[in-house]
Amino acid sequence: DAGVIQSPRHEVTEMGQEVTLRCKPISGHDYLFWYRQTMMRGLELLIYFNNNVPIDDSGMPEDRFSAKMPNASFSTLKIQPSEPRDSAVYFCASGIGGGGELFFGEGSRLTVL
Amino acid sequence: GQQLNQSPQSMFIQEGEDVSMNCTSSSIFNTWLWYKQDPGEGPVLLIALYKAGELTSNGRLTAQFGITRKDSFLNISASIPSDVGIYFCAGQGRGTYKYIFGTGTRLKVLA
Repeated sequence: DAGVIQSPRHEVTEMGQEVTLRCKPISGHDYLFWYRQTMMRGLELLIYFNNNVPIDDSGMPEDRFSAKMPNASFSTLKIQPSEPRDSAVYFCASGIGGGGELFFGEGSRLTVL
Repeated sequence: GQQLNQSPQSMFIQEGEDVSMNCTSSSIFNTWLWYKQDPGEGPVLLIALYKAGELTSNGRLTAQFGITRKDSFLNISASIPSDVGIYFCAGQGRGTYKYIFGTGTRLKVLA
């Protein structure tokens, strides 16, 4: 079975550029979560969706970050403009029903120079 | 952001030894999840717990949902070199579908 698929796996960009990270959740899962992982702050929840609708975006750091889920099989996390402090590994995770198991993708490692 | 307190932060053990780690929170949780993360990869789900007092095993791994609903424990028996990695707990509180993650326990196994 295909797991959560993220792209790109690695992205190196320059400060000020737009970055778009992509996620395909596991088929049939109705919850999708975006997390950011850094050494200093660990795994932080940025935003989560239920049935393609954003439910809680209180973890989104600032207006430069936005996330969308146009359909049940695709979500994007966009950073515009990017800054060096955005460098981190961004994970997408999906689950069923919201109260059960959560499955992670391999992550997108972002480096902003 | 909010995090769970996970201990120990790191452990160095001999192959064959048993390992124990735990997570504590000031809040009550309805679900506890335990993950292992290898370098350059995403967290992989090991065990899920849904009821206070629940004890669940997955091979050499055993996890428990604390009676107070504010803590959880993970034990690894007879450790092997491939157990090396970072172990995370995650908790989900009442009335929310947010999962909050612990700070991680870095495990190193000496052959």
